[in-house]
Amino acid sequence: GAVVSQHPSRVICKSGTSVKIECRSLDFQATTMFWYRQFPKQSLMLMATSNEGSKATYEQGVEKDKFLINHASLTLSTLTVTSAHPEDSSFYICSAPAGYIQYFGAGTRLSVL
Amino acid sequence: QKEVEQDPGPLSVPEGAIVSLNCTYSNSAFQYFMWYRQYSRKGPELLMYTYSSGNKEDGRFTAQVDKSSKYISLFIRDSQPSDSATYLCAMSSQETDKLIFGTGTRLQVFP
Repeated sequence: GAVVSQHPSRVICKSGTSVKIECRSLDFQATTMFWYRQFPKQSLMLMATSNEGSKATYEQGVEKDKFLINHASLTLSTLTVTSAHPEDSSFYICSAPAGYIQYFGAGTRLSVL
Repeated sequence: QKEVEQDPGPLSVPEGAIVSLNCTYSNSAFQYFMWYRQYSRKGPELLMYTYSSGNKEDGRFTAQVDKSSKYISLFIRDSQPSDSATYLCAMSSQETDKLIFGTGTRLQVFP
């Protein structure tokens, strides 16, 4: 199957700093990518849809100024958590569709101290 | 009512058992159905996918879709301790790439 690479897998940062997470489709192009957030023992919550060459589409309740998304190429989308606070600590996962099937990255565990 | 309903479990079975995981849904526009396996602190891994109704088999795994009942199933034969994970059903329609997930079922297979 298709491969989606997500980096970093783990990040610990101080409150007030910004953190960038990268999501790459390695063997296919993706005009759309998705960013999810997952709390312990819960399912994935869609945060936003990343669109290559245009603005991201955010789900209701997700702060677009807090979670900046850039999709500058057909294989790379980035999520930047700006001015991170402890409540932003979570597991962030990206996915990219190949046909109607979505392939997921390995996830990034963010811990904000 | 949620668009996709899935029993969260946990489901605990002995090694070698046949496991049945199920989801129901309400949106008749769903046509693409997927099962993902997620180990703790990892991203979801695609297990099976089907389009529309029918059965699909891959090794120890069988996926079934019954669109008339809006019901999908994943069967795991000869379950192994390494199958212990959370299993997520997901589905989408032709209108959108967005996946709608079930809550996930935690499965534990004990030796």
